[in-house]
Amino acid sequence: DAKTTQPTSMDCAEGRAANLPCNHSTISGNEYVYWYRQIHSQGPQYIIHGLKNNETNEMASLIITEDRKSSTLILPHATLRDTAVYYCIVSFRRGGSEKLVFGKGTKLTVNP
Amino acid sequence: DTGVSQNPRHKITKRGQNVTFRCDPISEHNRLYWYRQTLGQGPEFLTYFQNEAQLEKSRLLSDRFSAERPKGSFSTLEIQRTEQGDSAMYLCASRQDRGSSYEQYFGPGTRLTVT
Repeated sequence: DAKTTQPTSMDCAEGRAANLPCNHSTISGNEYVYWYRQIHSQGPQYIIHGLKNNETNEMASLIITEDRKSSTLILPHATLRDTAVYYCIVSFRRGGSEKLVFGKGTKLTVNP
Repeated sequence: DTGVSQNPRHKITKRGQNVTFRCDPISEHNRLYWYRQTLGQGPEFLTYFQNEAQLEKSRLLSDRFSAERPKGSFSTLEIQRTEQGDSAMYLCASRQDRGSSYEQYFGPGTRLTVT
C-alpha cells in the first residue's frame, strides 16, 4: 500500500502557484519523498525528490516539514500543460530495488 | 520522449492468447522496471532487473507472467493465457545505478486490451 495521502483533486488558475500537499506520517529516516506526474496517456515523469531539506529545480520546489511527516510540491507559475495527476511517493533510496509505490495521486487541473 | 521505448503501443488480444511486450531502456541504464496501471489507479510495481538479473518480483506477477532481460539491454514481458483482468497499461522504466542517480525514466507504455 502507498505510504502517502493526497487530495483527490485540485484546481489552479493559470499563472498562479499550485501547492500540492502530501501526508507521509509513517516515513522512516532513510526514506525519500519523490514527486512524479502523469499527463494523460503518457508514462509518469519525475519532478523532484528530497530527504530533509527543501529542494528546488527548474520544474518545481519541494517543501518538507521539519518532522518530515508532510510535504508540499509547489509549481510556481502553473500553465495549462501542468494539468496532470501528481504522485507523492515515499521510497527507500539506497540499496534494494527502490521500486516506486504509487497511490492514486492528485488530479491537478489548471484553468485558463 | 524520455528515451525509453516500448512496443507495441497498443495490443488487442483474445482471452487465452499469449502476448509479449518489449522495452528498450536508455542505453547506459542498468536498472529496468516493469509496472502495470489499471484505469484510475497509479502504476503498480511488477518486477525489476539489475543488468540481466531479475532481483525482485511482485506478488502481482503470477505464474502466467514472465519477464526477461537476456543481455542486460532490452527486456520482454510475456503474459500467457491472457485473462480479461490483465487489461491494463504496462509501463517500463529504467534508471542508471549510480550514487547520484535517482530518477526513473518511464516509457509511453503498452496498452493491453483482452477481449
